[in-house]
Amino acid sequence: KAGVTQTPRYLIKTRGQQVTLSCSPISGHRSVSWYQQTPGQGLQFLFEYFSETQRNKGNFPGRFSGRQFSNSRSEMNVSTLELGDSALYLCASSLPEGPSTDTQYFGPGTRLTVL
Amino acid sequence: AQSVTQLGSHVSVSEGALVLLRCNYSSSVPPYLFWYVQYPNQGLQLLLKYTTGATLVKGINGFEAEFKKSETSFHLTKPSAHMSDAAEYFCAVIQNFGNEKLTFGTGTRLTIIP
Repeated sequence: KAGVTQTPRYLIKTRGQQVTLSCSPISGHRSVSWYQQTPGQGLQFLFEYFSETQRNKGNFPGRFSGRQFSNSRSEMNVSTLELGDSALYLCASSLPEGPSTDTQYFGPGTRLTVL
Repeated sequence: AQSVTQLGSHVSVSEGALVLLRCNYSSSVPPYLFWYVQYPNQGLQLLLKYTTGATLVKGINGFEAEFKKSETSFHLTKPSAHMSDAAEYFCAVIQNFGNEKLTFGTGTRLTIIP
């Protein structure tokens, strides 16, 4: 099976702009989670979508939002970009049907730079 | 709430030596524990996981970890380090099945000395 794919891989934006990142999960996976990775804060959970519904949310401002489509593909959006939003954004998918399958598989990430 | 603590942000070992990366967890319920590895400019790759059952878990690339409830630890080991093991390693926990919010440790950067 193909792995988790994320597009674009690299993105440069300026403060105040908005950005949309895309994630395609492993075929058959219904849960998609998003994480932000920065040198200062490490890996932090943004939110999780399951069957088109946000099921879990981390401690990020409302400028960070997401959605999931019926084919399980997910997008996350960041509005009014700030310099501190520069980070590697990682998407992970899973098939949480039981403990043995409850594993998140990560994509390569989107590197966002805000100037 | 659950959390993990990784002792040592940087670890250096000689090629062929034992690798030991430490992880301690805090959880009010039996946790699910994971080790992930991240190579430069890449995403996270799962090394191994513990959910239930056998406490010694074997993963990819010769790594293994032992879940010790009495010590609240889940240390990662490899008997003989290889140059290709140089990377950053993250311990992570989720509180229970179905709760997909992974809480990560701060990571340990492993350097292999030739």
